[in-house]
Amino acid sequence: NAGVTQTPKFRILKIGQSMTLQCAQDMNHNYMYWYRQDPGMGLKLIYYSVGAGITDKGEVPNGYNVSRSTTEDFPLRLELAAPSQTSVYFCASSLGQGVRDEQFFGPGTRLTVL
Amino acid sequence: AQTVTQSQPEMSVQEAETVTLSCTYDTSESDYYLFWYKQPPSRQMILVIRQEAYKQQNATENRFSVNFQKAAKSFSLKISDSQLGDAAMYFCAYRSFMDTGRRALTFGSGTRLQVQP
Repeated sequence: NAGVTQTPKFRILKIGQSMTLQCAQDMNHNYMYWYRQDPGMGLKLIYYSVGAGITDKGEVPNGYNVSRSTTEDFPLRLELAAPSQTSVYFCASSLGQGVRDEQFFGPGTRLTVL
Repeated sequence: AQTVTQSQPEMSVQEAETVTLSCTYDTSESDYYLFWYKQPPSRQMILVIRQEAYKQQNATENRFSVNFQKAAKSFSLKISDSQLGDAAMYFCAYRSFMDTGRRALTFGSGTRLQVQP
């Protein structure tokens, strides 16, 4: 199993550009998440999904969009990049049931907006 | 909303010594889960240990153990026999038991642990 994979690993964007951060998992997990980690801070939830076709906002959704057309994939879209979106983005997944439900994280994407 | 506070931005420990990282949280719930994650320079988030709030016994995983004080809302991580590979950022995280919808984690701001040879 590859676990949770994210592409790209690094990206530099200019203000106003758009891009999609890709995330895929091969563990047949129902739940998927996007977090962002600003320098010196913990992770904050952007969006999450409880299954294909179902997504919802987290704490910091402004400036982002998501879709979940399959169980495996959960891309994050930035439409008009702003310097405030400079961050490290983590995708995570979990089964979404049971007491010992654990979130598995991808390696992250470092995004810089100039 | 729940909050998680890690008041030690940086800690340092000598190899083979013991270090304790602090975490406090604020919640009105009685059932929840607490976690410690390790983030080495590779950025990969690795689950170190978890604690269910309804369990009085403190969780242990090899050299890692927690001191869970529910009334004080405190959840510290003790690393015994520190190794160079323990050097990393450590995040404390909270997950609500009642939030069966999101099941998302709330993170603290992290503690950077340095291990001196």
